[in-house]
Amino acid sequence: DIQMTQSPSTLSASVGDRVTITCRASQSIGTWLAWYQQKPGKAPKLLIYKASTLETGVPSRFSGSGSGTEFTLTISSLQPDDFATYYCQQYNSYSPWTFGQGTKVEIK
Amino acid sequence: EVQLLESGGGLVQPGGSLRLSCAASGFTFSNYAMSWVRQAPGKGLEWVSGISGSGGNTYYADSVKGRFTISRDNSKNTLYLQLNSLRAEDTALYYCAKVNRITMVQGVADYWGQGTLVTVSS
Repeated sequence: DIQMTQSPSTLSASVGDRVTITCRASQSIGTWLAWYQQKPGKAPKLLIYKASTLETGVPSRFSGSGSGTEFTLTISSLQPDDFATYYCQQYNSYSPWTFGQGTKVEIK
Repeated sequence: EVQLLESGGGLVQPGGSLRLSCAASGFTFSNYAMSWVRQAPGKGLEWVSGISGSGGNTYYADSVKGRFTISRDNSKNTLYLQLNSLRAEDTALYYCAKVNRITMVQGVADYWGQGTLVTVSS
């Protein structure tokens, strides 16, 4: 199976900061990558799919980039509502879904 | 509005069985693949199983293959997961998720339920 590795595991930031989370795949997945946001006690929410396509209703301060094995999620100006855990997920055709271990964005 | 409501979780002894259900509304159920994803307490997300819109294609994680069975009843807009031979490591919150395509291939989970908790313990 394809392994997904996120970094960092925890990130401390302030409101207004630019935040970047990295996700690496153990083999090329093209652009078959999604990003989810999860808040405590809540279900995950889809933010981005196909590496860079913003899901409907997601604020434009979120963006995704990358292809092959390296991907990033960027929050251009961190807002109070953005403190949460973020997961990447690959959905390559020939492999079961696999998720990264998560990145917790905390208040600095 | 898409709604997914899971039920059927609970406390079960090792080796026991449970059947989870997910009642869907707000979309044409048979037009979309569905999936189950679980999250152990304090841990990350783990994909468990998926099924195509017709029910003709099913997929399983290696960790549950041979023990869990996914199915769907499109006349009832309901997704199921039969859990057999349960182990302590199956303890988790089980989420039902709608996939954004009729097939699991190249689809992502665009809507999630709130989950149902399965606890495997003696």
